[in-house]
Amino acid sequence: QKEVEQNSGPLSVPEGAIASLNCTYSDRGSQSFFWYRQYSGKSPELIMFIYSNGDKEDGRFTAQLNKASQYVSLLIRDSQPSDSATYLCAVRGSQGNLIFGKGTKLSVKP
Amino acid sequence: GAVVSQHPSRVICKSGTSVKIECRSLDFQATTMFWYRQFPKQSLMLMATSNEGSKATYEQGVEKDKFLINHASLTLSTLTVTSAHPEDSSFYICSASWSGGATAGELFFGEGSRLTVL
Repeated sequence: QKEVEQNSGPLSVPEGAIASLNCTYSDRGSQSFFWYRQYSGKSPELIMFIYSNGDKEDGRFTAQLNKASQYVSLLIRDSQPSDSATYLCAVRGSQGNLIFGKGTKLSVKP
Repeated sequence: GAVVSQHPSRVICKSGTSVKIECRSLDFQATTMFWYRQFPKQSLMLMATSNEGSKATYEQGVEKDKFLINHASLTLSTLTVTSAHPEDSSFYICSASWSGGATAGELFFGEGSRLTVL
C-alpha cells in the first residue's frame, strides 16, 4: 500500500517569506506527484504536478522532486495571507486515483 | 478546465435514513469516478472507484452494501449512503477522470458534500 507522509504543522510564516512544505512517499515506483491546496470546508484544488526529478516552477510556486530520496517539496515564494490553507501532497495510485497525505496546515501572518 | 458538479453541498439527515449524493461531469465524459471521504483534520481517503457501466471497486473496510455507487452514464455517478448513522458524518468528495487528450488521467474534483447525521 502506497503511503504519503507530511508534517501536519501548523507551519507559520510571515507575509512575504518563503514557505517550504515537504512530503515523503513509500513506493519507489511512484511516477506522478501532485500538490493540492484545500481551504477549510472546501474541495482540494490542484496547484502543481511534477513527474521528473528536479524543480518545476509556476509563478510563486516551485515543486521539487527527488526520486532517489522519495521526497517531494513545494516552495511558496512571497507568501500571502491568502495562501493560508492546508496543502496536500498526493501520488498517483494504481487505479489512477490519488493517494493523499494528511496535509500540512500553513498560516501566513500579515 | 473541466468542471465537476457535486450536490448537495450540505445535507443533514436523521439516523437511519438514506442520502444520495450526485456527481456530474459537465463538459467531459468521465470514464472513471473516484469517491473520497474526509473526516475532520484527516486526509482524503479513497472509498471506491467506479467505471461507467461496471460495478464499483471498494477499498478495504468500506461496506459496499452501505455505500451504494452507481455510474450509469459517462457524466453521472451517485453515492447513496444507506441507513446513515452519526459515524457516517463526513465530507464526501467525488473526482472524475477521462481517458483522452493531453490531460488524460487528470483528476477533476467536485465541490464536496458535507453530510451530518443526527
